[in-house]
Amino acid sequence: NAGVTQTPKFQVLKTGQSMTLQCAQDMNHEYMSWYRQDPGMGLRLIHYSVGAGITDQGEVPNGYNVSRSTTEDFPLRLLSAAPSQTSVYFCASSYKLSGNTIYFGEGSWLTVV
Amino acid sequence: AQSVTQPDIHITVSEGASLELRCNYSYGATPYLFWYVQSPGQGLQLLLKYFSGDTLVQGIKGFEAEFKRSQSSFNLRKPSVHWSDAAEYFCAVISENQGGKLIFGQGTELSVKP
Repeated sequence: NAGVTQTPKFQVLKTGQSMTLQCAQDMNHEYMSWYRQDPGMGLRLIHYSVGAGITDQGEVPNGYNVSRSTTEDFPLRLLSAAPSQTSVYFCASSYKLSGNTIYFGEGSWLTVV
Repeated sequence: AQSVTQPDIHITVSEGASLELRCNYSYGATPYLFWYVQSPGQGLQLLLKYFSGDTLVQGIKGFEAEFKRSQSSFNLRKPSVHWSDAAEYFCAVISENQGGKLIFGQGTELSVKP
């Protein structure tokens, strides 16, 4: 069972570099989202998508872009990495907006130096 | 706005003792509530969830939680803690009017002493 797959698991970036965190799910889920986790702040929503071609901003969208060209994939792009984006990133998916369990990927540890 | 509060940042219990982790939410409609556990360096694992029906919910690893609408609470309990339960625990609620996103509490770190 692949579930929600995130890559890479670990990444070190220099300030100003760009990169893409990949997220893929094989459960035909409509809803996908990206969270970042920082100490003492729980998980905060960056961007989310309710279906292919539809994305919207969450709580902390600045510095990140997303796209949803297929149901399966929901990449998160850092256009110009900043040290404040050092965090653990989680991708999540579910069948519907609510009433169903949300499945999380294993996380991507990103350090920006 | 919807919110979730976990009043205890860190709790230490002795192995074999009972455990209760507190969670309070602010939500206008019937909430969908979750408890997740995260071991160091790991992802999130769902312990249990409440959508409707019986207000006492059983989860994995011997955990249970009780939904109390009058108190806006969804506290997590375990009768006897094991050393392997040491982890961080997150309470979360789904926000239907904000795209169905999960709103997380700040987390409670659980330490277990021998």
